[in-house]
Amino acid sequence: AQSVTQLDSHVSVSEGTPVLLRCNYSSSYSPSLFWYVQHPNKGLQLLLKYTSAATLVKGINGFEAEFKKSETSFHLTKPSAHMSDAAEYFCVSAGQAGTALIFGKGTTLSVSS
Amino acid sequence: DAGVIQSPRHEVTEMGQEVTLRCKPISGHNSLFWYRQTMMRGLELLIYFNNNVPIDDSGMPEDRFSAKMPNASFSTLKIQPSEPRDSAVYFCASSFGQGSYEQYFGPGTRLTVT
Repeated sequence: AQSVTQLDSHVSVSEGTPVLLRCNYSSSYSPSLFWYVQHPNKGLQLLLKYTSAATLVKGINGFEAEFKKSETSFHLTKPSAHMSDAAEYFCVSAGQAGTALIFGKGTTLSVSS
Repeated sequence: DAGVIQSPRHEVTEMGQEVTLRCKPISGHNSLFWYRQTMMRGLELLIYFNNNVPIDDSGMPEDRFSAKMPNASFSTLKIQPSEPRDSAVYFCASSFGQGSYEQYFGPGTRLTVT
């Protein structure tokens, strides 16, 4: 069965420091993987996606993620956090065409000044 | 593009009443998804449609919930009768292609059942 595990429910960083949000996936085939962000009282917005092309994927707002098959990981990073990055982040997996997305439980990112 | 449009944005109703949530997907998208988000259970897929046909409704909690997509530009999620445990934020999302493609989310409808 396909699954996504976000290893931290809450991450706190200071403004200007690096961000690391961890995600592991489980799939019997090479999945498509996404990161979505949800700001308070807003819908989900796509940050970036991996679909078996380059393993290092760049997204919006300076975020990037690296697909590591050997570690079954797809961690989200950003070199320098900004206050506006404070939000809920979801790691998402998609399998074969025709199947629905599988969402992780989310990681809340807090950014302090 | 206006994005995915949901209405109403907020709904407060009493237990036992019928609730209808509405969604207009992005023009040209052929898949539509209904999700429910709560603190306890996170984000759950309720049902999704492809080309107006329901593909997977295994997430629909019980018979009180029903969803329709009469045409490519409109879908409804109905709860009848509503219960306090239905209180949640309901999101609609659309995509071009079936479930393995990125989805675009609406702003959600916050439902409170008292």
